[in-house]
Amino acid sequence: GQNIDQPTEMTATEGAIVQINCTYQTSGFNGLFWYQQHAGEAPTFLSYNVLDGLEEKGRFSSFLSRSKGYSYLLLKELQMKDSASYLCVGGAAGNKLTFGGGTRVLVKP
Amino acid sequence: GAVVSQHPSRVICKSGTSVKIECRSLDFQATTMFWYRQFPKQSLMLMATSNEGSKATYEQGVEKDKFLINHASLTLSTLTVTSAHPEDSSFYICSARDRASGRARGNEQFFGPGTRLTVL
Repeated sequence: GQNIDQPTEMTATEGAIVQINCTYQTSGFNGLFWYQQHAGEAPTFLSYNVLDGLEEKGRFSSFLSRSKGYSYLLLKELQMKDSASYLCVGGAAGNKLTFGGGTRVLVKP
Repeated sequence: GAVVSQHPSRVICKSGTSVKIECRSLDFQATTMFWYRQFPKQSLMLMATSNEGSKATYEQGVEKDKFLINHASLTLSTLTVTSAHPEDSSFYICSARDRASGRARGNEQFFGPGTRLTVL
């Protein structure tokens, strides 16, 4: 199966760090994406992990452990504009993407 | 970067009418485009995979006669919602994969801005 699980909601304070965990059943995925989606808008690409380990890109980092079926997205120095849904997305053969339910992050002042 | 456009961005129609949504890749060629539907507070659900020059592949539970897909060129795919009903009201998003993308980004897809359909 290709179920993707991530928390529904998280709240954090401006300037803080938040880690969004994602677990998935490992069969069929050949990479793990993270997308950001603001309400009423299309998703925008944040990161892509195909190998185990940490990928850092500015304030955002993403980690993948294929053997554990586990990934996380780390958001540092939170800003108000980071309030959005963060989607953990599995990439599979045939270019298909499977989306998790998304984690709504609310950044408070 | 790769840009995908959708038209219209918003449409309101009466029940029973048909609505066509266009998805264009503006600065790259896309042999494959994808159509998603997203209901409020839910994640994106893949409806179908649109392949240039061939029939679309529909996901289980998606009626191919109701959601007609045409991928006539490497830069354009259209989704027609036929005989729309209120339950078809949703946010429809297309995405495209750049056929020239390298291995580093794997099967990354570029998303259009979405079309909000409201059926009265």
